[in-house]
Amino acid sequence: NAGVTQTPKFRVLKTGQSMTLLCAQDMNHEYMYWYRQDPGMGLRLIHYSVGEGTTAKGEVPDGYNVSRLKKQNFLLGLESAAPSQTSVYFCASSNGLAGGPYEQYFGPGTRLTVT
Amino acid sequence: GNSVTQMEGPVTLSEEAFLTINCTYTATGYPSLFWYVQYPGEGLQLLLKATKADDKGSNKGFEATYRKETTSFHLEKGSVQVSDSAVYFCALGRNTGFQKLVFGTGTRLLVSP
Repeated sequence: NAGVTQTPKFRVLKTGQSMTLLCAQDMNHEYMYWYRQDPGMGLRLIHYSVGEGTTAKGEVPDGYNVSRLKKQNFLLGLESAAPSQTSVYFCASSNGLAGGPYEQYFGPGTRLTVT
Repeated sequence: GNSVTQMEGPVTLSEEAFLTINCTYTATGYPSLFWYVQYPGEGLQLLLKATKADDKGSNKGFEATYRKETTSFHLEKGSVQVSDSAVYFCALGRNTGFQKLVFGTGTRLLVSP
């Protein structure tokens, strides 16, 4: 049981390049989330999904797209990277079973630098 | 809207000292409250939680009590260890499966031997 995994762990992009971050969970969770973590700002929600085939915008969605074609995977895409997207990205998941537990389980993060 | 305010860090303590990290919140309704911990180079892990007023969450010697009258959820530990050095995040959410967690900015704790 690996929990939540993320690939890659580190990446350096040039401005304008694109990339996809992959998140996978093996806990059969319904809900998945993408956050970014910036110094002094805590974690902010980028996009989330309440089930396979569904996605929705969070607090800071601009410049990102997501897809959830399979229940266990949640992809975060940057079509044209900008230096403002330099951050640490975390994926999380939580279950939808009645009665809980409802806490979110986090992956180890992806450190992205855009030059 | 909902928000969480945490004390700024870093908090620097000697081993076996008493720890308090303050957290206050603003929310509509009756949120659940969480403390997450992030060890260096890792993702966040749930440390403890409380789902209603006067609940006390506890884990690994840490405790926090959900105080509705003061809208607070302060984290405490009686005797910290070097291994407790990490960043601690207070967060609020709903008591349901789907959570749009609202995080505080985090407080870094440094414990020296």
